[in-house]
Amino acid sequence: GQNIDQPTEMTATEGAIVQINCTYQTSGFNGLFWYQQHAGEAPTFLSYNVLDGLEEKGRFSSFLSRSKGYSYLLLKELQMKDSASYLCAVRDRDTGFQKLVFGTGTRLLVSP
Amino acid sequence: DVKVTQSSRYLVKRTGEKVFLECVQDMDHENMFWYRQDPGLGLRLIYFSYDVKMKEKGDIPEGYSVSREKKERFSLILESASTNQTSMYLCASSLSQGGYSNQPQHFGDGTRLSIL
Repeated sequence: GQNIDQPTEMTATEGAIVQINCTYQTSGFNGLFWYQQHAGEAPTFLSYNVLDGLEEKGRFSSFLSRSKGYSYLLLKELQMKDSASYLCAVRDRDTGFQKLVFGTGTRLLVSP
Repeated sequence: DVKVTQSSRYLVKRTGEKVFLECVQDMDHENMFWYRQDPGLGLRLIYFSYDVKMKEKGDIPEGYSVSREKKERFSLILESASTNQTSMYLCASSLSQGGYSNQPQHFGDGTRLSIL
């Protein structure tokens, strides 16, 4: 099976940088996704990693180390609107390429 | 943009009722999913459909069934609603994919279902 761990909650200040970690254990890793979910809204896709290294998209970057079973989402120049939950999800070929297994999410609170 | 539409944002039903949650996607996606989201438990897969009339149980299918008669529509059915099925229900869709595909799942806004 899969096990995905994320911190439950984090706080940060507007303008700062925050790193949200995700560790996973899977037998057939086939990609990792990050989603953002504002309260009461749909999760929206942020990033995808399948190879080791950093993927950058504007203020958001995502990093993957397959050997360590570890990913992080880096948010720079934090804005109040970044207050949301961030979900890490893993695709495992042993459960099929079509499905994702989600972590419980990290709630980020950005304060002025 | 992909649009996944769930029929209701909020729904209140009584114990024992048969409840239907509807989901429609407009991007011709092969895959559709039903999840429930509970505090501290994250998103858990109830059922998955990879084609019309095809379905696969997820992690928590007990007490639920699904129907996919048309490609764009995926329905979740609570046969006899119980209070422990009070939750946020999220529908998602995606393209059919092979290994290493970067195609994400696209989510609807969710239905907050309360069973009294």
